[in-house]
Amino acid sequence: DIQMTQSPSTLSASVGDRVTISCRASQSISGWLAWYQQQPGKAPKLLISEASNLRSGVPSRFSGSGSGTEFTLTITSLQTDDFASYYCQQYNSFPWTFGQGTTVEVK
Amino acid sequence: QVQLQESGPGLVKPSETLSLTCTVSGGFMSTYNWSWIRQSPGRGLEFIGNINYIRLTDFNPSLKSRVTMSVDTSRNQFFLLLSSVTAADTAVYFCARQVYGVYIFDVWGQGILVSVSS
Repeated sequence: DIQMTQSPSTLSASVGDRVTISCRASQSISGWLAWYQQQPGKAPKLLISEASNLRSGVPSRFSGSGSGTEFTLTITSLQTDDFASYYCQQYNSFPWTFGQGTTVEVK
Repeated sequence: QVQLQESGPGLVKPSETLSLTCTVSGGFMSTYNWSWIRQSPGRGLEFIGNINYIRLTDFNPSLKSRVTMSVDTSRNQFFLLLSSVTAADTAVYFCARQVYGVYIFDVWGQGILVSVSS
């Protein structure tokens, strides 16, 4: 299985901050990476697919980049609703696997 | 818009079979895969498997020997059976829609907590 490793595990930030979350794959996954946001007690919500393709309805302050084994999720000007956990998921090789998550908390 | 809702027992005894139903509303089941994913503090998010409307399945090899999935398109439902459960199977179980050929999960149910305990 492809292992997905996110860093950091927890990130403390303030409203208006620029936030960057990293995701590393144990082998190349080309650009087959998705990002999800999960609020406490809720299901994950798809934010980005194909590493950088923003899904419909997702605010433009979210962006994704990367290819191969190194990927980044960036949130420019963090908003209150953005304090949540974020997960990457690879879909290059079966079984599909997720990172362990990054929690963005209030500083 | 499509909505998913999990249902089933919240408590299962060790060695027994976990049984969950996902009801799909607001859309058709064709052209998508229908998936089960679970989340626990120890394992994080873990893909269990999926099924499509013609009953083709793919299971995570780590769970394949214990997993059965089925679908009833006339009732817009799909199902998960996980046999011989242990405490390690305690998790929130989500059903999700998977885009066929792209393998991302674009619609999720709210999740159901299933505890394995005697």
